Amino acid sequence: DAGITQSPRHKVTETGTPVTLRCHQTENHRYMYWYRQDPGHGLRLIHYSYGVKDTDKGEVSDGYSVSRSKTEDFLLTLESATSSQTSVYFCAIGLAGGRGSYEQYFGPGTRLTVT
Amino acid sequence: QQQVKQSPQSLIVQKGGISIINCAYENTAFDYFPWYQQFPGKGPALLIAIRPDVSEKKEGRFTISFNKSAKQFSLHIMDSQPGDSATYFCAASIWGAQKLVFGQGTRLTINP
Repeated sequence: DAGITQSPRHKVTETGTPVTLRCHQTENHRYMYWYRQDPGHGLRLIHYSYGVKDTDKGEVSDGYSVSRSKTEDFLLTLESATSSQTSVYFCAIGLAGGRGSYEQYFGPGTRLTVT
Repeated sequence: QQQVKQSPQSLIVQKGGISIINCAYENTAFDYFPWYQQFPGKGPALLIAIRPDVSEKKEGRFTISFNKSAKQFSLHIMDSQPGDSATYFCAASIWGAQKLVFGQGTRLTINP
């Protein structure tokens, strides 16, 4: 599992409330990612980080913000949760290998329900 | 913009049969094509990957076939087993970009 944990694993929240999801890694990898997974859409990148305090937007970043104050932690915040943000959220770390290979290792996911 | 299109969305195969999942891409700059396998309640895990300098890569019962001119690649699972039942994602990346673009996923069910 590449030493990746996510918390909480399940959360139910109400529309309009702020929510923060945490991703923690134990191996000091530089690149970290947040995805959401929805039926028919696969895995869509929300935000990613390439170092402490260095982050950038993915393809579905509206309504989400991130922070990375330490190498091991990458936080995803929904400032005001909406029902369209009900999803399963995955954190991943990225590793560049030899001969142009590039791999991502995923955490166990957080199932978020916004009522 | 969906840069990697995957089909079918769902697939049912009898035990012992061949499962085939197809992906097509648009960006000719992609140069690395991994497949991920995801079991219910788990995160995706790397299964097998290919670079465009080869047309086929085989690992056990899993084979990737790659057609650079058609911009297509596919996953073949030979002698499919019930334990192969999972969701499969194809993906693509550009060397140095440190990002993956995923297909929509295929839910594979192997009937015993």
